[in-house]
Amino acid sequence: GENVEQHPSTLSVQEGDSAVIKCTYSDSASNYFPWYKQELGKGPQLIIDIRSNVGEKKDQRIAVTLNKTAKHFSLHITETQPEDSAVYFCAASNGGSQGNLIFGKGTKLSVKP
Amino acid sequence: DTAVSQTPKYLVTQMGNDKSIKCEQNLGHDTMYWYKQDSKKFLKIMFSYNNKELIINETVPNRFSPKSPDKAHLNLHINSLELGDSAVYFCASSPQRGGKAFFGQGTRLTVV
Repeated sequence: GENVEQHPSTLSVQEGDSAVIKCTYSDSASNYFPWYKQELGKGPQLIIDIRSNVGEKKDQRIAVTLNKTAKHFSLHITETQPEDSAVYFCAASNGGSQGNLIFGKGTKLSVKP
Repeated sequence: DTAVSQTPKYLVTQMGNDKSIKCEQNLGHDTMYWYKQDSKKFLKIMFSYNNKELIINETVPNRFSPKSPDKAHLNLHINSLELGDSAVYFCASSPQRGGKAFFGQGTRLTVV
């Protein structure tokens, strides 16, 4: 089955700096890669996603890149703000008959004012 | 309107009890899931339902049983609760299997 590795487990940046979180996946059939943000006491919330036919996607300060050959994808947050502090999860799925979102172990991002 | 809602938000119970967590989605999605998040924040899939049929059970003890009375609801029933069952349980739904998933707010279960 699919296995998703996520690094780093914790990340601390100064406000205004960029943050990068990286994930690798094992199943070459995976074709959908979302990123979730989880704030304290809340459920994970989708912030951006990418499909395997696209190499990069941007939404304001957030971008995701995908390298299918290397089977890794990354989340980039520019001009970080204190409200970006949260736990971020990457996930992968193949959407097939056994398709499920398999999550990485999360990255706790702290943005210091 | 809340897209995916689950109740209760908090549940404290003694070992050996039986409890249920309810989940409802108003998004018209075909697939619903239960995830368990442990103290280290790891999110693990427990069940997924598509059109009222269980399609995956990820080696979860049979003390856990999902029940779906209709497409909009997926409840989680747990028998003979154990200390190790303490965790946050999340319900989620998506338009299709493995697609964009929307999560509920979670139910924090504490077994004492």
